[in-house]
Amino acid sequence: QKEVEQNSGPLSVPEGAIASLNCTYSDRGSQSFFWYRQYSGKSPELIMSIYSNGDKEDGRFTAQLNKASQYVSLLIRDSQPSDSATYLCAVIGGSQGNLIFGKGTKLSVKP
Amino acid sequence: DTGVSQNPRHKITKRGQNVTFRCDPISEHNRLYWYRQTLGQGPEFLTYFQNEAQLEKSRLLSDRFSAERPKGSFSTLEIQRTEQGDSAMYLCASSSGLAPGPQYFGPGTRLTVL
Repeated sequence: QKEVEQNSGPLSVPEGAIASLNCTYSDRGSQSFFWYRQYSGKSPELIMSIYSNGDKEDGRFTAQLNKASQYVSLLIRDSQPSDSATYLCAVIGGSQGNLIFGKGTKLSVKP
Repeated sequence: DTGVSQNPRHKITKRGQNVTFRCDPISEHNRLYWYRQTLGQGPEFLTYFQNEAQLEKSRLLSDRFSAERPKGSFSTLEIQRTEQGDSAMYLCASSSGLAPGPQYFGPGTRLTVL
């Protein structure tokens, strides 16, 4: 059974701080990793994809992947109250591309 | 590119009734996925279509669930004889390409079974 684990939080950070969200996965063969943001009552929104070891930056977001440790993280710099949401980590779990999600980490950015 | 659309957005039904949801993927996206999400959980995979062919079904997809994607365009998900445990958000996602890649979700259909 392939699994993705996330700390459910809530993670609370002050406005302007760096938020660090972490995720581990069980299948060493996983190749593709995604971070989705989900506001309460809304559907998941793709914010980052990462496929290679190392860092990938997109604006205020940085995804980090360490396949040896089976660990992927998301850093949000200069956190804003509008970043308050649940962040879902996902990996491709099957040959047809279906995603396996963690339960998500709820982030709260305090003004 | 108008994004993935889903209808209806909300559905309230009584136990035992049948319901059908529709998903219109992003134009030209050949891959279409259905997921189910309950409160406090991440989305769980239900089924996958590549063009019009249903290529994978999860163990979660009981005999009461059926999905179609005629002509490889929109898709429908039907639940027969609904149960209270079917109450959830039903999400559709699409992606393109020969290989699996990022998926883009629609707004979801929230089902409440009374």
